[in-house]
Amino acid sequence: AQSVTQLDSHVSVSEGTPVLLRCNYSSSYSPSLFWYVQHPNKGLQLLLKYTSAATLVKGINGFEAEFKKSETSFHLTKPSAHMSDAAEYFCVVSDRGSSNTGKLIFGQGTTLQVKP
Amino acid sequence: DTGVSQDPRHKITKRGQNVTFRCDPISEHNRLYWYRQTLGQGPEFLTYFQNEAQLEKSRLLSDRFSAERPKGSFSTLEIQRTEQGDSAMYLCASNLGGSSYNEQFFGPGTRLTVL
Repeated sequence: AQSVTQLDSHVSVSEGTPVLLRCNYSSSYSPSLFWYVQHPNKGLQLLLKYTSAATLVKGINGFEAEFKKSETSFHLTKPSAHMSDAAEYFCVVSDRGSSNTGKLIFGQGTTLQVKP
Repeated sequence: DTGVSQDPRHKITKRGQNVTFRCDPISEHNRLYWYRQTLGQGPEFLTYFQNEAQLEKSRLLSDRFSAERPKGSFSTLEIQRTEQGDSAMYLCASNLGGSSYNEQFFGPGTRLTVL
């Protein structure tokens, strides 16, 4: 069975400081991992995805994530937070089991607050 | 706009009524997914279509729920005899099959409130 655990339900940073959102995964297969962002009253948007081509993945809006197999982690980082980054962030693994439907399994989410 | 669209965006109904939601995926996408998101939680998988075939249903999808994708294009999700516990955001997503790396594109969701 595949799952993801987001280690923080709420993260608060000051504008201009680094962001770290933590995610651990569990998978019997080489995982397909994603980070999605959800702004209030807006749809889910893909930030980045791990495709096994490179362990350091760059996404939109300055975000990046590093896949660490030894630690089963896929933490999301950004060097400098912007007010517009305030949103809900989801770490996601894609089903690659026997059914191989590609259904997504979401973490519980981390709310990022950015203070001026 | 060529993204995933959902209709209606909001639905308020009384307990016991039936409701139906519609999802229009991106036109060339053969895979379509429904998810449910309750307050403060991540979305949970409900069901999956490849073209017109419904290939997987979650145990979350009780017999009061039914989904169709009759021509492999748009999809409908019907909830019969709604209960207050059905109140949630219902999300639709689509993508091209073939790789689990393919991102899913999400619609804005239908927010259901059951009174």
